[in-house]
Amino acid sequence: DTEVTQTPKHLVMGMTNKKSLKCEQHMGHRAMYWYKQKAKKPPELMFVYSYEKLSINESVPSRFSPECPNSSLLNLHLHALQPEDSALYLCASSQDKAGTLNSPLHFGNGTRLTVT
Amino acid sequence: GENVEQHPSTLSVQEGDSAVIKCTYSDSASNYFPWYKQELGKGPQLIIDIRSNVGEKKDQRIAVTLNKTAKHFSLHITETQPEDSAVYFCAASTSGTYKYIFGTGTRLKVLA
Repeated sequence: DTEVTQTPKHLVMGMTNKKSLKCEQHMGHRAMYWYKQKAKKPPELMFVYSYEKLSINESVPSRFSPECPNSSLLNLHLHALQPEDSALYLCASSQDKAGTLNSPLHFGNGTRLTVT
Repeated sequence: GENVEQHPSTLSVQEGDSAVIKCTYSDSASNYFPWYKQELGKGPQLIIDIRSNVGEKKDQRIAVTLNKTAKHFSLHITETQPEDSAVYFCAASTSGTYKYIFGTGTRLKVLA
């Protein structure tokens, strides 16, 4: 089992729905990430939070809205999605200490999202 | 831009044989190279990593080698088992950034 927990595991939503994906980690990591993964492709970075502040937004459409309520939680709010947004959404975390070498990403098992 | 090429895209080996997956990166500032294994229905899991100050690292049946001059790094799995069947991703990253550039993935099938 992973140390990064994502809920729900599966989500089907219509294009007019509003839903949220949730991610939780208790490893004390201060960097948290959202990735999108299409079938047979590598993960694509969407957002990075460092110490609960948004550090990177990879030009993601505004229908995806991230939120980091505290150091253990990360949400992704979804609204007015398109069928092409159907994918596996992965949350990850890593240690984040200024001046230190990069540390590995710890991924959750993802939320399989289908937009109808 | 930064790029990581990964080969082969698919690899089939007999159980007990060795498997080798190769990656080439473009950014000479890259100094951290993790390898991830992704099983069906799961997220990628770290299996081994190497930093640029080391040429080789081994963990039981898994090893990674790094050639900084050629900007190549490789994953070696010995005595393969059916449970090694999965998609493997290499990645490259640079200190001070949050970006991990992933390779395109290798689907490994270990035939019993």
